[in-house]
Amino acid sequence: DAKTTQPPSMDCAEGRAANLPCNHSTISGNEYVYWYRQIHSQGPQYIIHGLKNNETNEMASLIITEDRKSSTLILPHATLRDTAVYYCIVSLYGTASKLTFGTGTRLQVTL
Amino acid sequence: SAVISQKPSRDICQRGTSLTIQCQVDSQVTMMFWYRQQPGQSLTLIATANQGSEATYESGFVIDKFPISRPNLTFSTLTVSNMSPEDSSIYLCSVDEGGAGGYTFGSGTRLTVV
Repeated sequence: DAKTTQPPSMDCAEGRAANLPCNHSTISGNEYVYWYRQIHSQGPQYIIHGLKNNETNEMASLIITEDRKSSTLILPHATLRDTAVYYCIVSLYGTASKLTFGTGTRLQVTL
Repeated sequence: SAVISQKPSRDICQRGTSLTIQCQVDSQVTMMFWYRQQPGQSLTLIATANQGSEATYESGFVIDKFPISRPNLTFSTLTVSNMSPEDSSIYLCSVDEGGAGGYTFGSGTRLTVV
């Protein structure tokens, strides 16, 4: 699986958009970009995934660059409950695929 | 998405003993995954458990230390054997239901070995 690089920590004011970057320069053509988050003392929670098109769901938006070497997870209106460690993972799609977690970005949302 | 029940949620164990962690899913799933999260660290995959076959272990993890059972499509156990303080971690199971929902994780078992 391709390796990902994320900043170790970020701060965001409540109500503002949180933009979390991820570099995955060695991604291969059939690998997807997944985002998960882990709120303290809980198991990771799936947020969103994409291949090459931008994706949006009720939680977040995922912007993938045209060359697919980087992506940005956008939380449009961050709240205190969004404080968590966010993991960007590159993996094949399907039940046989395993997720390899990096160190993630610790997002702190403040008042 | 699937609901995972993991037991126990936490335990304190004596070194040299073994602990079996249970993972129950409310729907049938093909693959189940076991992860370890050491204090302050990210998640590391221990093994992949497929019903009807032996688990596939990642580098650095062996069956004698972490035996896994997968008797049916909704249940799996992970045993941490002959424990030492270095085994103190959160152990999580995960399933992939297929489709667009991503992987679902249990809430984890927080193990402390003294």
